[in-house]
Amino acid sequence: EDQVTQSPEALRLQEGESSSLNCSYTVSGLRGLFWYRQDPGKGPEFLFTLYSAGEEKEKERLKATLTKKESFLHITAPKPEDSATYLCAVQALNYGGSQGNLIFGKGTKLSVKP
Amino acid sequence: DGGITQSPKYLFRKEGQNVTLSCEQNLNHDAMYWYRQDPGQGLRLIYYSQIVNDFQKGDIAEGYSVSREKKESFPLTVTSAQKNPTAFYLCASKRRAGLVEKLFFGSGTQLSVL
Repeated sequence: EDQVTQSPEALRLQEGESSSLNCSYTVSGLRGLFWYRQDPGKGPEFLFTLYSAGEEKEKERLKATLTKKESFLHITAPKPEDSATYLCAVQALNYGGSQGNLIFGKGTKLSVKP
Repeated sequence: DGGITQSPKYLFRKEGQNVTLSCEQNLNHDAMYWYRQDPGQGLRLIYYSQIVNDFQKGDIAEGYSVSREKKESFPLTVTSAQKNPTAFYLCASKRRAGLVEKLFFGSGTQLSVL
């Protein structure tokens, strides 16, 4: 069964303290892996799409990487405004029941204290 | 500005009542989706539509119904058969189902039971 597991569930950092969020996945074949940011009471906001192992993408203080089994979202020198829940999702190759729909992890809630 | 509009932001349902959540998009996307989000859980797919006048059940369709009479609109009805409707509901769209493209999300509707 295709699934996505994110860890840790919650992460508290001091401003400027770099860290990483993990997204491990098991799918029959990966078409794409997505990272979203979600603020409380709002819809998820797209951050990155990764397609193949070894790929990396960056945006401001965020950098996403991908291996054959997991993805990391690295946060460098975070600021309080980076506080949010970060969601990982995968799109599998199979066109069976999922029809290429996204499978989401439960998210990592990040809190950055000044 | 193009985007997805969900309304209302907050909705209350009485026991035995059906309620309808609105989702409108002006992105000219063919595919639209409804997700349910519960605290500490990943987004779960309720229904999706790849094209006008067609829709498919997702993973948790029981107690819900949808229609897709126009490309721009994909309303979700939470019926009285849904015994645990309290959740945050998210509507999303993308150009075509199956494409490795990001989903665009609305701002969500919080449904609570009176």
